[in-house]
Amino acid sequence: ETGVTQTPRHLVMGMTNKKSLKCEQHLGHNAMYWYKQSAKKPLELMFVYSLEERVENNSVPSRFSPECPNSSHLFLHLHTLQPEDSALYLCASSQDARGQGREKLFFGSGTQLSVL
Amino acid sequence: AQSVAQPEDQVNVAEGNPLTVKCTYSVSGNPYLFWYVQYPNRGLQFLLKYITGDNLVKGSYGFEAEFNKSQTSFHLKKPSALVSDSALYFCAVRDKTGFQKLVFGTGTRLLVSP
Repeated sequence: ETGVTQTPRHLVMGMTNKKSLKCEQHLGHNAMYWYKQSAKKPLELMFVYSLEERVENNSVPSRFSPECPNSSHLFLHLHTLQPEDSALYLCASSQDARGQGREKLFFGSGTQLSVL
Repeated sequence: AQSVAQPEDQVNVAEGNPLTVKCTYSVSGNPYLFWYVQYPNRGLQFLLKYITGDNLVKGSYGFEAEFNKSQTSFHLKKPSALVSDSALYFCAVRDKTGFQKLVFGTGTRLLVSP
């Protein structure tokens, strides 16, 4: 195991639902990330938190709302999603958000999200 | 903007044969390049990186990658493939603007047959 745990593993939701994805890391890292993985597309960085402060937000629609209450936990709150948001959502952590400590990312297994 | 291209969606190789997974990059200045692997139902795992120095970089699980500046390539290689190497492989480059995040390619599926 990588030390990064994501729940749930699978999620099916309707477009009017509200749900949350959870990520927890046990590595003592200071930075956490949300990525979106869609088939045959590059891995898409959504959000980056460094020491619980958001340092990167790549023009992600407001229907995705991240939360980082402490350096070990990261959430992605979902509401009024669209079918095109169906994808694998990956959480990752790294020792730091800057410098060489960010280059070795440790990923969770992801949440496979289906929006109906 | 920095980018990488992985021209093959899938690579098929027989067990015991050498394998190559291709990656080309487009960067300004010296590139920082990476390979990650994703096994089924798992997140990505770091394999190796090139920052500077020797053009042949050795990584985990017997993999290595060759940096070629003239061809702007960073191909992943292994002398003898194993069935357990079957996975999705991602090449990445560090973006030198803004946050300097890792920019990933689209991935190449490697299928090693017995």
